[in-house]
Amino acid sequence: ETGVTQSPTHLIKTRGQQVTLRCSSQSGHNTVSWYQQALGQGPQFIFQYYREEENGRGNFPPRFSGLQFPNYSSELNVNALELDDSALYLCASSFSGTGKGEQYFGPGTRLTVT
Amino acid sequence: DQQVKQNSPSLSVQEGRISILNCDYTNSMFDYFLWYKKYPAEGPTFLISISSIKDKNEDGRFTVFLNKSAKHLSLHIVPSQPGDSAVYFCAARQADYGGSQGNLIFGKGTKLSVKP
Repeated sequence: ETGVTQSPTHLIKTRGQQVTLRCSSQSGHNTVSWYQQALGQGPQFIFQYYREEENGRGNFPPRFSGLQFPNYSSELNVNALELDDSALYLCASSFSGTGKGEQYFGPGTRLTVT
Repeated sequence: DQQVKQNSPSLSVQEGRISILNCDYTNSMFDYFLWYKKYPAEGPTFLISISSIKDKNEDGRFTVFLNKSAKHLSLHIVPSQPGDSAVYFCAARQADYGGSQGNLIFGKGTKLSVKP
């Protein structure tokens, strides 16, 4: 069974640029959630994708957007990067229907905005 | 306003003893509570969960207790091992919406150090 993978591992961008982060969900999972983890904080929910549509969103501006593909993999796009976007971005996959709440995380992408 | 709080940033325990990690929450609508462990440079790893209708769940060395009246849960690790040293996050799930799983709300984490 393949776990959740994310790419790239690290990324350095300049303020104002755009970035795309990628996630492959665990086999058998159909739901992908994205989280932002700032230093010293717990992960914060950005949004969730199910059946290729956004299904719930946290308190993040529209410049954070995403996609889910038919194979359940996902992308997170951030436009007009700001210094405060520097964080660890975590992708988590899960299967709707188990009802137990577990989400399984990838290793994350460390984004630095200068 | 934080809905899930872990008030202890760190905890140090001797190997072989019990580690007790605490978490408080404010929202009565959470339907599941989960604990994750995180090592540096890795994503959070799921440890154990508990339904809001239960008061205890056990899995090997890990036991989670839920006190709904106090809106408090705790994770007990017995016996503690040096490999348990990591940051532990408490998370609560907002109930299903739109036919899929709800999102998780995390505390800030507690760094556990288990000394040999």
